[in-house]
Amino acid sequence: GALVYQYPRRTICKSGTSMRMECQAVGFQATSVAWYRQSPQKTFELIALSTVNSAIKYEQNFTQEKFPISHPNLSFSSMTVLNAYLEDRGLYLCGAIDSSGNTLYFGEGSRLIVV
Amino acid sequence: AQSVTQPDARVTVSEGASLQLRCKYSYSGTPYLFWYVQYPRQGLQLLLKYYSGDPVVQGVNGFEAEFSKSNSSFHLRKASVHWSDSAVYFCALSMPNYNVLYFGSGTKLTVEP
Repeated sequence: GALVYQYPRRTICKSGTSMRMECQAVGFQATSVAWYRQSPQKTFELIALSTVNSAIKYEQNFTQEKFPISHPNLSFSSMTVLNAYLEDRGLYLCGAIDSSGNTLYFGEGSRLIVV
Repeated sequence: AQSVTQPDARVTVSEGASLQLRCKYSYSGTPYLFWYVQYPRQGLQLLLKYYSGDPVVQGVNGFEAEFSKSNSSFHLRKASVHWSDSAVYFCALSMPNYNVLYFGSGTKLTVEP
């Protein structure tokens, strides 16, 4: 079956440092990967959509300078939160879209705690 | 622009009672619609989805939802809730040919014994 693994599951980082998270698709080809953030007590905000061999599309309020994304092949994507501060706390979800374009599979998320 | 509204931030029901969680959407065409559940300290699990056809879709664990184009709604229902259904439920929308999900604000469901 189709699975999406995210790691690390949880990271505690000091304010002003950076954190890289990874997303691995298993059992299918992830032609696109959507990265989301769920801040404490809030809903899931779309950060960006990354499609292999295409430009990464960032949503308003999110930038490549802050959240650089790499999507080198059909099974792997990574995103870094640069210079993390308190407002960057939350659960970061990776959603991988299969080649049919119809199904979005989510990982369990990477939780970022900033101290 | 597309959007999803879940008007009830919190819903409390007794175990064994019926449930409806409301979801309204805004989109000029016919969207794809989804319900996800998030248990404490976990990610998202898909309950059900609607693409087209029969407006009533069945999901896991006895959940169903009904799409209404005239009301721009996709309410989630369950005939008899269990305490283990306590969680946060998210309604989401995607546009055909652009399968990125846009989420509502979520409804926290508490099932009392």
